[in-house]
Amino acid sequence: AQSVTQLDSHVSVSEGTPVLLRCNYSSSYSPSLFWYVQHPNKGLQLLLKYTSAATLVKGINGFEAEFKKSETSFHLTKPSAHMSDAAEYFCVVSPPGRQAGTALIFGKGTTLSVSS
Amino acid sequence: DTAVSQTPKYLVTQMGNDKSIKCEQNLGHDTMYWYKQDSKKFLKIMFSYNNKELIINETVPNRFSPKSPDKAHLNLHINSLELGDSAVYFCASSSGVSSYEQYFGPGTRLTVT
Repeated sequence: AQSVTQLDSHVSVSEGTPVLLRCNYSSSYSPSLFWYVQHPNKGLQLLLKYTSAATLVKGINGFEAEFKKSETSFHLTKPSAHMSDAAEYFCVVSPPGRQAGTALIFGKGTTLSVSS
Repeated sequence: DTAVSQTPKYLVTQMGNDKSIKCEQNLGHDTMYWYKQDSKKFLKIMFSYNNKELIINETVPNRFSPKSPDKAHLNLHINSLELGDSAVYFCASSSGVSSYEQYFGPGTRLTVT
């Protein structure tokens, strides 16, 4: 079975400092992995995706993530946090052998707080 | 030009009532989904439809009934609402097997009193 584990439920950083949100996945095969962001009282927005191409994936708003098969990790990073980055971040896996309608499997989320 | 829209955004109702949430996507996708986000922000699939055909029906009470009149719409009807149904419900869509990512609507916050 596929699953993702977000290692931190809450991360606090200062504006201008780096962001690291950690995610480990469990999969028998090479999965598709995503990071989604949810701002307060908003919907979910796709930040970036990994689908077995380049292992370093660049997303929107300066975020990037690196797929490391040996560590079964897909950590999200950003060099310099901005106040507007404060939100809930979800690491998500899509099982392999896709059929139409396959569900995404969400991690429990990491709340990112950014202080000035 | 909203990609995935849901109505209403907020829904407050009493126990025992029946309510519906509507979802529409203008992305030309052929697959749509309903997810439930609980009070701890955990998201879980409820249903998925591909070309109006039910694909996934997770362990959801049969008080919940999805309906897909066409590929662009997936509605969620809930009978005999209970306190535990209070949650945020998200609709999503994707382009079948040709695209892995799903695009989400803004969510409907349902509060049952």
